[in-house]
Amino acid sequence: GAVVSQHPSWVICKSGTSVKIECRSLDFQATTMFWYRQFPKQSLMLMATSNEGSKATYEQGVEKDKFLINHASLTLSTLTVTSAHPEDSSFYICSARDPGLAKAQYFGPGTRLLVL
Amino acid sequence: QQPVQSPQAVILREGEDAVINCSSSKALYSVHWYRQKHGEAPVFLMILLKGGEQKGHEKISASFNEKKQQSSLYLTASQLSYSGTYFCGTRGSGGSNYKLTFGKGTLLTVNP
Repeated sequence: GAVVSQHPSWVICKSGTSVKIECRSLDFQATTMFWYRQFPKQSLMLMATSNEGSKATYEQGVEKDKFLINHASLTLSTLTVTSAHPEDSSFYICSARDPGLAKAQYFGPGTRLLVL
Repeated sequence: QQPVQSPQAVILREGEDAVINCSSSKALYSVHWYRQKHGEAPVFLMILLKGGEQKGHEKISASFNEKKQQSSLYLTASQLSYSGTYFCGTRGSGGSNYKLTFGKGTLLTVNP
């Protein structure tokens, strides 16, 4: 099946610093990737849709200037949490859309962010 | 609109069957099913497209009733490895937006 990697798997940082998370589709080209955020025992909350070669589309209530998304190639999307604060601590998960007929989405393993 | 999943939680003994439902208030193009184990990311199970199809993979199968805007996931002869939270993700009809909206999840616990 399709494989999506995410790096780093976990990160601890001080308040005010920026953190970059990478999402890669390893065996297929993904023109569209998605970034989700998940709090404990809750559902997946879509933050933004990342489109290769164009600006990301953010969901209502998600700060564009705080969560910078760049989809520079067909296999890589990055999420940068700028000036992170403790309330940004969460589980961030990316997914990549398989461009095949089914258009299934495959998730990366996720990144746990802890802001102190 | 977020799809509604039922039940919220279910506890089984190994070998028993379970059904998880997912219903939407809007017309659907596709329904995607995932299983998430504690501390891990969701794993893709299957996708059902409009047209009222059914799919199966070993002892896990699903159906999609387009008219009723609902899908059901069937787990038969459950195994310990089936434990986890099951999410349905729905994609609405119309438009070229591929984003999914996920339900709140169903926690499945399979005991020996």
